[in-house]
Amino acid sequence: QQQVKQSPQSLIVQKGGISIINCAYENTAFDYFPWYQQFPGKGPALLIAIRPDVSEKKEGRFTISFNKSAKQFSLHIMDSQPGDSATYFCAASRITGGGNKLTFGTGTQLKVEL
Amino acid sequence: GAVVSQHPSRVICKSGTSVKIECRSLDFQATTMFWYRQFPKKSLMLMATSNEGSKATYEQGVEKDKFLINHASLTLSTLTVTSAHPEDSSFYICSAREARLGDIQYFGAGTRLSVL
Repeated sequence: QQQVKQSPQSLIVQKGGISIINCAYENTAFDYFPWYQQFPGKGPALLIAIRPDVSEKKEGRFTISFNKSAKQFSLHIMDSQPGDSATYFCAASRITGGGNKLTFGTGTQLKVEL
Repeated sequence: GAVVSQHPSRVICKSGTSVKIECRSLDFQATTMFWYRQFPKKSLMLMATSNEGSKATYEQGVEKDKFLINHASLTLSTLTVTSAHPEDSSFYICSAREARLGDIQYFGAGTRLSVL
């Protein structure tokens, strides 16, 4: 029940295109859904996060779409750039009564080609 | 944003020795720190949760005598890998959270441990 499933495992997008990564969770007690970006040999960096009381959040080129009834959320990267090439992890946690322990998805390796 | 410093970034040691990894929150007081392990091209697996001044809470399957965690102050947590063996080779990452900063966990840059 603690799993977070992420797809695709890898993704190649042309420069300027839209990158879309999807995640699904099982535990309905999760109430915080962040996305992290990780470059090789570095720690993850928070990109954007959403709480379940909204269906969409946008920050610059990054948008999270959240579907509470389907228990799914996705990351959209608009106008993808070669510098966006990295591994992306979705995560979920329980803020209220859960200590904010993050459960990570399996990761998506994004490559943006020129 | 808040900064978490992790040291060393890379360590190579002989089998049987112990290695200490430090995690510091530089500009905030971390009420909670987390330690993760990551294998190549894999996801982050939570090892333990550490609250300042109390014993760490370990995830199922993580040997607490093998991975000693100390969170003696609000800005410093340490992970000691005792009697390290080649199978302990991995990328170890810490994160820190402060209640006043909301729900965000700030991650360190990670430590690459190689046990020969």
